[in-house]
Amino acid sequence: ETGVTQTPRHLVMGMTNKKSLKCEQHLGHNAMYWYKQSAKKPLELMFVYSLEERVENNSVPSRFSPECPNSSHLFLHLHTLQPEDSALYLCASSHLPGQATDTQYFGPGTRLTVL
Amino acid sequence: KQEVTQIPAALSVPEGENLVLNCSFTDSAIYNLQWFRQDPGKGLTSLLLIQSSQREQTSGRLNASLDKSSGRSTLYIAASQPGDSATYLCAVDSNYQLIWGAGTKLIIKP
Repeated sequence: ETGVTQTPRHLVMGMTNKKSLKCEQHLGHNAMYWYKQSAKKPLELMFVYSLEERVENNSVPSRFSPECPNSSHLFLHLHTLQPEDSALYLCASSHLPGQATDTQYFGPGTRLTVL
Repeated sequence: KQEVTQIPAALSVPEGENLVLNCSFTDSAIYNLQWFRQDPGKGLTSLLLIQSSQREQTSGRLNASLDKSSGRSTLYIAASQPGDSATYLCAVDSNYQLIWGAGTKLIIKP
């Protein structure tokens, strides 16, 4: 266990549904991340929160909406998704980005299928 | 724009062999380079982090090297075991963001 949990582990949804992914870290870290991992492609950084403020938003469609209510919890709210959004969504946390020794700890991911 | 490439995309070797995984990056202005491991259906686990001022890092049977001038890193695995089977990902910390390679899928045959 890495100290980062994600729920649900698997999610199947229709294009008109609204759902949320949850991530929780028990490591006392200050930064949290959402990544998208599609088959045979590099991880794509979606959002970064540092000290509960969003510091990175990498041109992600508005149908993905992040929320970070406190430093331990991160949500990804989903609505009107497309089939190409099907992927593994990974959450990570780290102590403090920008430090040369900072490394990220990952959750197990949520496997999302959009029908 | 930083780009990270990993070659080969897949590798299958018999148990006990020493092997090398390769990672290359296009911009040498990095804070660090990191190697991760991903098991099927699971998240990523950090293996080694090499700061930009360092040349290599070692952990058990793993040794990672960094040559910033040539934009290359290698991950050396000694005496491979079936439990080493996984996908290995390389990432460079560039401008406070990790830029990732697509990974090398490693299979160690018993």
